[in-house]
Amino acid sequence: KAGVTQTPRYLIKTRGQQVTLSCSPISGHRSVSWYQQTPGQGLQFLFEYFSETQRNKGNFPGRFSGRQFSNSRSEMNVSTLELGDSALYLCASMQQGSTGELFFGEGSRLTVL
Amino acid sequence: GNSVTQMEGPVTLSEEAFLTINCTYTATGYPSLFWYVQYPGEGLQLLLKATKADDKGSNKGFEATYRKETTSFHLEKGSVQVSDSAVYFCALTYNTNAGKSTFGDGTTLTVKP
Repeated sequence: KAGVTQTPRYLIKTRGQQVTLSCSPISGHRSVSWYQQTPGQGLQFLFEYFSETQRNKGNFPGRFSGRQFSNSRSEMNVSTLELGDSALYLCASMQQGSTGELFFGEGSRLTVL
Repeated sequence: GNSVTQMEGPVTLSEEAFLTINCTYTATGYPSLFWYVQYPGEGLQLLLKATKADDKGSNKGFEATYRKETTSFHLEKGSVQVSDSAVYFCALTYNTNAGKSTFGDGTTLTVKP
Protein backbone atom coordinates (compact mmCIF):
# COMPACT_ATOMS: atom_id res chain seq x y z
CA LYS A 1 0.00 0.00 0.00
CA ALA A 2 1.46 3.35 -0.99
CA GLY A 3 2.09 5.81 1.81
CA VAL A 4 1.15 9.45 2.09
CA THR A 5 2.62 11.44 -0.77
CA GLN A 6 3.34 15.14 -0.57
CA THR A 7 4.40 17.43 -3.38
CA PRO A 8 6.50 19.39 -3.86
CA ARG A 9 9.16 18.28 -1.39
CA TYR A 10 11.04 21.56 -1.46
CA LEU A 11 10.15 25.02 -2.62
CA ILE A 12 11.40 28.56 -2.28
CA LYS A 13 9.13 31.58 -2.45
CA THR A 14 9.45 35.27 -1.75
CA ARG A 15 7.41 37.36 0.64
CA GLY A 16 3.99 38.24 -0.66
CA GLN A 17 3.70 35.26 -2.97
CA GLN A 18 1.29 32.41 -2.47
CA VAL A 19 1.91 28.68 -2.42
CA THR A 20 -0.13 25.52 -2.87
CA LEU A 21 0.94 22.20 -1.40
CA SER A 22 -0.56 18.85 -2.30
CA CYS A 23 -1.14 15.67 -0.33
CA SER A 24 -2.36 12.26 -1.45
CA PRO A 25 -3.42 10.10 1.50
CA ILE A 26 -3.14 6.36 1.88
CA SER A 27 -5.78 4.63 -0.20
CA GLY A 28 -8.98 4.32 1.79
CA HIS A 29 -8.11 7.04 4.29
CA ARG A 30 -10.66 9.83 4.15
CA SER A 31 -9.20 12.06 6.85
CA VAL A 32 -6.32 14.37 5.96
CA SER A 33 -4.68 16.70 8.46
CA TRP A 34 -2.02 19.35 7.99
CA TYR A 35 0.65 20.37 10.45
CA GLN A 36 3.30 23.05 10.44
CA GLN A 37 6.66 22.07 11.94
CA THR A 38 9.19 24.73 12.93
CA PRO A 39 12.17 24.61 15.30
CA GLY A 40 10.65 27.24 17.56
CA GLN A 41 6.99 26.18 17.66
CA GLY A 42 7.23 22.45 17.14
CA LEU A 43 4.29 20.73 15.47
CA GLN A 44 1.23 22.93 15.15
CA PHE A 45 -2.11 21.67 13.88
CA LEU A 46 -3.46 23.61 10.91
CA PHE A 47 -6.69 21.86 9.88
CA GLU A 48 -8.28 18.53 9.14
CA TYR A 49 -10.52 17.52 6.27
CA PHE A 50 -12.86 14.59 6.12
CA SER A 51 -15.07 13.77 3.14
CA GLU A 52 -14.35 17.17 1.56
CA THR A 53 -15.40 19.09 4.70
CA GLN A 54 -13.17 20.86 7.17
CA ARG A 55 -13.74 19.03 10.43
CA ASN A 56 -11.18 20.74 12.68
CA LYS A 57 -9.22 23.94 12.52
CA GLY A 58 -6.18 25.18 14.40
CA ASN A 59 -5.24 28.70 15.38
CA PHE A 60 -3.72 30.00 12.18
CA PRO A 61 -4.64 33.18 10.30
CA GLY A 62 -6.98 33.11 7.35
CA ARG A 63 -4.02 33.20 4.96
CA PHE A 64 -3.81 29.46 5.55
CA SER A 65 -6.55 27.53 3.81
CA GLY A 66 -7.17 24.09 2.51
CA ARG A 67 -9.54 21.87 0.64
CA GLN A 68 -10.15 18.24 -0.04
CA PHE A 69 -11.29 16.61 -3.23
CA SER A 70 -13.67 13.72 -3.76
CA ASN A 71 -10.73 11.29 -4.09
CA SER A 72 -9.53 12.44 -0.62
CA ARG A 73 -6.50 14.26 -2.01
CA SER A 74 -5.98 17.52 -0.21
CA GLU A 75 -4.31 20.83 -0.91
CA MET A 76 -3.32 23.62 1.39
CA ASN A 77 -2.70 27.16 0.31
CA VAL A 78 -0.83 29.96 1.99
CA SER A 79 -1.38 33.43 0.58
CA THR A 80 0.69 36.58 1.10
CA LEU A 81 3.66 34.64 2.39
CA GLU A 82 5.65 35.95 5.33
CA LEU A 83 9.16 35.05 6.43
CA GLY A 84 7.71 33.28 9.44
CA ASP A 85 5.85 30.85 7.19
CA SER A 86 9.12 29.08 6.43
CA ALA A 87 8.57 25.60 7.79
CA LEU A 88 8.12 21.93 7.07
CA TYR A 89 4.46 21.32 6.24
CA LEU A 90 3.38 17.80 7.08
CA CYS A 91 0.30 16.06 5.85
CA ALA A 92 -1.15 13.07 7.70
CA SER A 93 -3.94 10.70 6.84
CA MET A 94 -6.01 8.63 9.16
CA GLN A 95 -8.35 5.69 8.78
CA GLN A 96 -11.86 6.36 9.95
CA GLY A 97 -12.70 4.33 13.03
CA SER A 98 -9.09 4.04 14.15
CA THR A 99 -7.86 5.21 17.54
CA GLY A 100 -6.27 8.28 16.02
CA GLU A 101 -2.94 7.09 14.72
CA LEU A 102 -1.70 9.35 11.97
CA PHE A 103 0.26 8.35 8.90
CA PHE A 104 2.54 11.16 7.82
CA GLY A 105 4.07 12.11 4.52
CA GLU A 106 7.66 13.27 4.27
CA GLY A 107 6.61 16.89 4.18
CA SER A 108 6.99 19.92 1.97
CA ARG A 109 9.77 22.23 3.06
CA LEU A 110 8.89 25.83 2.33
CA THR A 111 11.47 28.58 2.47
CA VAL A 112 10.27 32.16 2.24
CA LEU A 113 12.90 34.74 1.29
CA GLY B 1 -6.65 23.34 26.53
CA ASN B 2 -4.70 20.17 25.98
CA SER B 3 -0.92 20.13 26.19
CA VAL B 4 1.96 17.68 26.12
CA THR B 5 5.27 18.28 27.87
CA GLN B 6 8.35 16.29 27.01
CA MET B 7 11.68 16.26 28.78
CA GLU B 8 14.03 18.71 27.21
CA GLY B 9 16.74 17.39 24.99
CA PRO B 10 18.93 16.67 23.36
CA VAL B 11 19.71 13.30 24.88
CA THR B 12 23.01 11.60 24.10
CA LEU B 13 23.59 7.98 25.07
CA SER B 14 26.10 5.27 24.38
CA GLU B 15 24.99 2.17 22.53
CA GLU B 16 23.27 -0.40 24.80
CA ALA B 17 22.40 2.24 27.40
CA PHE B 18 18.94 2.48 28.96
CA LEU B 19 16.65 5.15 27.57
CA THR B 20 13.87 7.09 29.27
CA ILE B 21 12.14 10.07 27.67
CA ASN B 22 9.58 11.64 29.97
CA CYS B 23 6.20 12.77 28.73
CA THR B 24 3.37 14.27 30.76
CA TYR B 25 0.10 15.64 29.50
CA THR B 26 -2.71 17.95 30.48
CA ALA B 27 -6.11 16.95 29.18
CA THR B 28 -9.63 16.24 30.31
CA GLY B 29 -11.16 12.83 30.01
CA TYR B 30 -9.33 9.93 28.43
CA PRO B 31 -7.28 10.75 25.37
CA SER B 32 -5.30 8.23 23.40
CA LEU B 33 -1.55 8.61 23.75
CA PHE B 34 1.13 8.09 21.14
CA TRP B 35 4.85 8.15 20.55
CA TYR B 36 6.00 9.07 17.08
CA VAL B 37 9.56 9.00 15.74
CA GLN B 38 11.06 11.23 13.06
CA TYR B 39 14.26 10.23 11.30
CA PRO B 40 16.30 12.90 9.48
CA GLY B 41 14.60 14.13 6.33
CA GLU B 42 11.46 12.12 6.92
CA GLY B 43 7.98 12.61 8.26
CA LEU B 44 6.79 11.21 11.57
CA GLN B 45 5.94 7.57 11.95
CA LEU B 46 4.00 5.91 14.72
CA LEU B 47 6.19 4.09 17.21
CA LEU B 48 3.59 2.92 19.73
CA LYS B 49 0.26 3.86 21.25
CA ALA B 50 -2.03 3.30 24.23
CA THR B 51 -5.72 4.06 24.25
CA LYS B 52 -6.74 3.66 27.89
CA ALA B 53 -5.34 3.87 31.38
CA ASP B 54 -2.77 1.20 32.33
CA ASP B 55 -2.37 0.11 28.70
CA LYS B 56 1.22 -0.58 27.69
CA GLY B 57 2.23 0.16 24.14
CA SER B 58 5.31 -1.56 22.76
CA ASN B 59 7.21 -1.80 19.49
CA LYS B 60 10.81 -2.45 18.43
CA GLY B 61 11.93 -2.78 22.05
CA PHE B 62 10.34 0.53 23.07
CA GLU B 63 7.63 0.61 25.73
CA ALA B 64 5.37 3.18 27.33
CA THR B 65 2.58 2.80 29.89
CA TYR B 66 -0.47 5.07 30.08
CA ARG B 67 -0.53 6.33 33.67
CA LYS B 68 -3.73 8.22 34.35
CA GLU B 69 -2.86 8.96 37.98
CA THR B 70 0.35 10.77 37.03
CA THR B 71 -0.84 11.87 33.55
CA SER B 72 2.32 10.41 32.07
CA PHE B 73 3.41 8.26 29.14
CA HIS B 74 7.15 7.87 29.49
CA LEU B 75 9.07 6.15 26.70
CA GLU B 76 11.64 3.50 27.65
CA LYS B 77 14.02 1.15 25.92
CA GLY B 78 16.38 -1.21 27.65
CA SER B 79 19.25 -1.10 25.17
CA VAL B 80 19.47 1.60 22.52
CA GLN B 81 21.21 1.25 19.18
CA VAL B 82 22.83 3.80 16.91
CA SER B 83 19.89 3.33 14.55
CA ASP B 84 17.54 4.67 17.26
CA SER B 85 19.00 8.15 16.79
CA ALA B 86 16.03 10.32 15.85
CA VAL B 87 13.55 12.85 17.22
CA TYR B 88 10.80 11.41 19.41
CA PHE B 89 7.40 13.07 19.83
CA CYS B 90 4.77 12.35 22.44
CA ALA B 91 1.20 13.14 21.36
CA LEU B 92 -2.40 12.87 22.47
CA THR B 93 -5.70 12.82 20.66
CA TYR B 94 -9.35 12.21 21.36
CA ASN B 95 -11.25 9.68 19.30
CA THR B 96 -13.96 12.22 18.63
CA ASN B 97 -11.36 14.63 17.28
CA ALA B 98 -8.91 12.10 16.02
CA GLY B 99 -7.51 14.05 13.11
CA LYS B 100 -6.32 16.74 15.48
CA SER B 101 -3.42 15.66 17.68
CA THR B 102 -1.48 17.69 20.21
CA PHE B 103 2.27 17.11 20.12
CA GLY B 104 5.09 17.70 22.54
CA ASP B 105 8.12 19.65 21.38
CA GLY B 106 10.11 16.55 20.54
CA THR B 107 13.25 15.09 22.09
CA THR B 108 16.34 14.54 19.98
CA LEU B 109 18.14 11.31 20.79
CA THR B 110 21.69 10.65 19.62
CA VAL B 111 23.20 7.24 20.26
CA LYS B 112 26.97 6.95 19.96
CA PRO B 113 28.75 3.68 19.19
